[in-house]
Amino acid sequence: GENVEQHPSTLSVQEGDSAVIKCTYSDSASNYFPWYKQELGKGPQLIIDIRSNVGEKKDQRIAVTLNKTAKHFSLHITETQPEDSAVYFCAASIWFSGGYNKLIFGAGTRLAVHP
Amino acid sequence: GAVVSQHPSWVICKSGTSVKIECRSLDFQATTMFWYRQFPKQSLMLMATSNEGSKATYEQGVEKDKFLINHASLTLSTLTVTSAHPEDSSFYICSARNQGRRNTEAFFGQGTRLTVV
Repeated sequence: GENVEQHPSTLSVQEGDSAVIKCTYSDSASNYFPWYKQELGKGPQLIIDIRSNVGEKKDQRIAVTLNKTAKHFSLHITETQPEDSAVYFCAASIWFSGGYNKLIFGAGTRLAVHP
Repeated sequence: GAVVSQHPSWVICKSGTSVKIECRSLDFQATTMFWYRQFPKQSLMLMATSNEGSKATYEQGVEKDKFLINHASLTLSTLTVTSAHPEDSSFYICSARNQGRRNTEAFFGQGTRLTVV
């Protein structure tokens, strides 16, 4: 079945450093890849997404890259700040018959940014 | 971005009782809503997909008679945990998307922490 693997499970960086989280997906039909940030006790918040027709997307300190051939996509956070500390989830979207799709989530990465 | 409101944010109930959780899309019409369950320090596990005006599609292993889902309007879906037991204690999260658009992003509610005592 569909599977999304996410690494690392935990990541600790110093403030100002960059953080990279990587995901791989199994279904080549996947065509939408969002990233979510979840703070303790809250629902996930979409921070950036990428569709299969582009290879890279950037929004200020956050960027996402997609390699369709290798079925890899990555989240890059530059100039990290303590408020970036949270759990980050990648996801891949699969199309099913009937026209609707569902998100398959990675296991999550707990990012800690130390002052 | 679109707003999805989930209510209540937390609830404590006695074993054997039922609990209803509401998920509302406040500024868009959600033809499809998704219900997830999340255990501490774990990922989101999809429980069911709820389509407006039709029966929900449940994921394998999810008991449809225990987790009743109703999506009677384009802005509201409800999840009822029937005859709750302590093992049902978890963080329940809904998300909504306008299925009229391809690959549209999903917006999540703030989650409901259910504790069954």
